Amino acid sequence: QKEVEQDPGPLSVPEGAIVSLNCTYSNSAFQYFMWYRQYSRKGPELLMYTYSSGNKEDGRFTAQVDKSSKYISLFIRDSQPSDSATYLCATQETSGSRLTFGEGTQLTVNP
Amino acid sequence: DTAVSQTPKYLVTQMGNDKSIKCEQNLGHDTMYWYKQDSKKFLKIMFSYNNKELIINETVPNRFSPKSPDKAHLNLHINSLELGDSAVYFCASSRGGGDTQYFGPGTRLTVL
Repeated sequence: QKEVEQDPGPLSVPEGAIVSLNCTYSNSAFQYFMWYRQYSRKGPELLMYTYSSGNKEDGRFTAQVDKSSKYISLFIRDSQPSDSATYLCATQETSGSRLTFGEGTQLTVNP
Repeated sequence: DTAVSQTPKYLVTQMGNDKSIKCEQNLGHDTMYWYKQDSKKFLKIMFSYNNKELIINETVPNRFSPKSPDKAHLNLHINSLELGDSAVYFCASSRGGGDTQYFGPGTRLTVL
């Protein structure tokens, strides 16, 4: 069983839609949670970073962590074609330990 | 341009060959990483170096050997390449082990 499970998609939505991306994890020691965005043929870039349970908002993006159910989410409001990319969730036990990535969800936002 | 750079961008080679991928960061970071991303986009850490010292070494075949001549460079040498080594290899760096990791553009390795 993978430590972090993520539906690879692909996910296709119309412009302006609310997008929900999700991951589940099995290791209860994970405390740090990240979302990376990866455009085609590029390296991943950090989008959101959260510690422990709770919500974090940045513009159109909201990251949610529910440690009790080991569930992490990324919501994208008013999605744009420029949001089309692969989104990878990542977890970390402690600051400084290795990142464990999900498989990535490929998102296409259609104009 | 401050960034993490990798060379080459594309590498096509025959099975059994030895090849190297170079990585350089001019961000002044102390920690550097190598990741492998397979065809299903699954990104997995291979190695991590902090100030030229190896701190993470995942279960990677001995054919893979990282070398850090200084803290701005982390090269990856691969011996006796196999078909299963075909993937995109990403270098990354961070200020410290727990800080944001900045990824390079990737090296797409194809072993024929």
